[in-house]
Order: sequence, then structure tokens, then C-alpha cells
Amino acid sequence: GQNIDQPTEMTATEGAIVQINCTYQTSGFNGLFWYQQHAGEAPTFLSYNVLDGLEEKGRFSSFLSRSKGYSYLLLKELQMKDSASYLCAVSTGGGNKLTFGTGTQLKVEL
Amino acid sequence: EADIYQTPRYLVIGTGKKITLECSQTMGHDKMYWYQQDPGMELHLIHYSYGVNSTEKGDLSSESTVSRIRTEHFPLTLESARPSHTSQYLCASWAGSRNSPLHFGNGTRLTVT
Repeated sequence: GQNIDQPTEMTATEGAIVQINCTYQTSGFNGLFWYQQHAGEAPTFLSYNVLDGLEEKGRFSSFLSRSKGYSYLLLKELQMKDSASYLCAVSTGGGNKLTFGTGTQLKVEL
Repeated sequence: EADIYQTPRYLVIGTGKKITLECSQTMGHDKMYWYQQDPGMELHLIHYSYGVNSTEKGDLSSESTVSRIRTEHFPLTLESARPSHTSQYLCASWAGSRNSPLHFGNGTRLTVT
């Protein structure tokens, strides 16, 4: 089966940088997604990493190390609207199965 | 603009009723998924499909069943609803390529009384 772990909660200050970690133990890894979810809404796509390294998209960056079973999402210049749950999801089973981690609830404060 | 549609958006139903939650996508994606999520909790994979006539159970045991007769349609059925089935059910689809994200529907919030 899949074991995907994230910290439950994090708090950060507006304008700061925060790093949300995700570790996984899976068989047949194909890729890793990061999603943002506000309460009561469907998740929205942030990034998808297949190869090792850092991918940057504006204020959001995502890093992957397949050998370590580790990824992180980096959020820069935090805004109040970034307060949400951040979910990592791992693709396995030849790219057919997609399993989400426990999610990290981020609270951005003034 | 949504390319993946779930109906109904909200459903309140009595114990013992049979229900079907609908999910359709217009993107031609082969891979489709059903997740169950309670408020403030994680997304649990309950069913997935990688093409027509393929269905697999996810990591969370569920009394629901699914079918995939057409690419665009992936309905979820509960033969006899119980209060423990009360939850939000999210459907998603994916082309499976790096440049295409997983698309979610708006979800069905089910309450069984």
C-alpha cells in the first residue's frame, strides 16, 4: 500500500516563506502532485513533479527527491488567501492510481 | 469553466435507499477517480478506473460500487444507504500526462438520515 505523510498544521506570517514537506513510501512511483484546498471547495492544482529537482511557478515551487521519497512545496511572499489545506498526492500503479496524503492545514497570520 | 460534472451537488436521503452519484467529464480522460472526504479530513481513494470496463478498489474500503461503460461517465452507486455513508464524494479525472493536471468535480455532499 501507500504511506504518505505530511505535517498536520503549520502557521506562518504574511509576507514570509513556508516549506511544507511530504514523505512517501510507495511501490511503483510515477509522479507527485501538490494541490491546494480551501474549506468546502474542491482541490485546485498547484504542481506535478515527475523528475528530481525544483520546479518553480510564480510564488510556488515544488521539489522532488525520488531516492529519498521526499517532496516539499515552497510558498513565498505569503498572503492571507494562502490559508488553506495543502495536499500531496502520489501516482503509482503505472500512473493509474492516485493517492493523497493527510494534508497540511496552513494558517497565515498578520 | 468546469469540464467535469457531478450531480447532485447535495443529497439528503433516508436509510436503506439506493442512490447513484453521477460523474461525467468532457475531456476524454482515461483515468477517473472517486474520493471520500469528511470535513477537515483527508481525501480517501475509494475507487478508480484507467479506462472503459476497468474498475479498481482504492485504499479505503467502501460499500459503494462503480462502473465505467463509457469513457466520459463514472457513476458511483450505494445499494442501501446508511448514516455512516454521510460524507462528501469527489470525482476526478486525469489524462495521465505531466502537462495535464488532475481535474476535480465540485463534489456531492451526501447526508443519510
